Amino acid sequence: SAVISQKPSRDICQRGTSLTIQCQVDSQVTMMFWYRQQPGQSLTLIATANQGSEATYESGFVIDKFPISRPNLTFSTLTVSNMSPEDSSIYLCSVALIRDSPEGADTQYFGPGTRLTVL
Amino acid sequence: GQQLNQSPQSMFIQEGEDVSMNCTSSSIFNTWLWYKQDPGEGPVLLIALYKAGELTSNGRLTAQFGITRKDSFLNISASIPSDVGIYFCAGRVQGGSYIPTFGRGTSLIVHP
Repeated sequence: SAVISQKPSRDICQRGTSLTIQCQVDSQVTMMFWYRQQPGQSLTLIATANQGSEATYESGFVIDKFPISRPNLTFSTLTVSNMSPEDSSIYLCSVALIRDSPEGADTQYFGPGTRLTVL
Repeated sequence: GQQLNQSPQSMFIQEGEDVSMNCTSSSIFNTWLWYKQDPGEGPVLLIALYKAGELTSNGRLTAQFGITRKDSFLNISASIPSDVGIYFCAGRVQGGSYIPTFGRGTSLIVHP
C-alpha cells in the first residue's frame, strides 16, 4: 500500500489568486496523478505527473491553469492558477502501484484531498 | 472510450439491512477496484479484484469480479451507521493504460 499526505487540507481563496497543493508519498512510486472532484460528482483526472518531464494533461485541462511539478518519485505539486469560483472543488493526489504479474494487476490509492473554496 | 455505469445512484436503508450495488462496463476490464469516500475525505480502497469470477471479502464487505469481465458488484452485510458515504467502483481496461475509469458513485445513507 501507499500512504499519501496532502497540504493544505483545505483553503479559502480569493478570485484571481493561485494556490499550490503539495502531495507527499511514503514510498517511491512511478505513477502519480491529480484528480478534481466537484461537489457531488465523481473523480475527474486532471493530469499524470511525470517525474523529470512535463505532466500529461487530460482533455479540458491545460498547463497554464494547472501547472504540475514532479521533482522526484515521492513528491508532486499542483497549482491552481488565476482561480475563479468554478475552481471550488476537492483536489486529490493519487498513486498507482503496478504489480508484476501476467494480468498486470494494480491498485490505486488516494490522498485525503484538498478542499478548495474560491470566493 | 469505455463507459462505466454504477447503480443505484443512491440508497436509503435501515441499520442492519444488507446493501448491494454494481457496476457494468462497455469494455472488458482486467481490474476492478471499489472505494469508499467519507464526506470531506479522499476515497479509501476497500477491495481490489483481478480475476474473472474472483470473490473477495473485507469484513462485512464482499465484492465479485463478474465472469464476463464487464461487471462487478459490492455487497455490504448488516449495515451500520458508519457505512454512510459514497462508494465508487473503478475499472481498468485490459491492455489499456494504467489509469482506471471511475463510476459516478453510489451514495449510501443508513438510518439508525
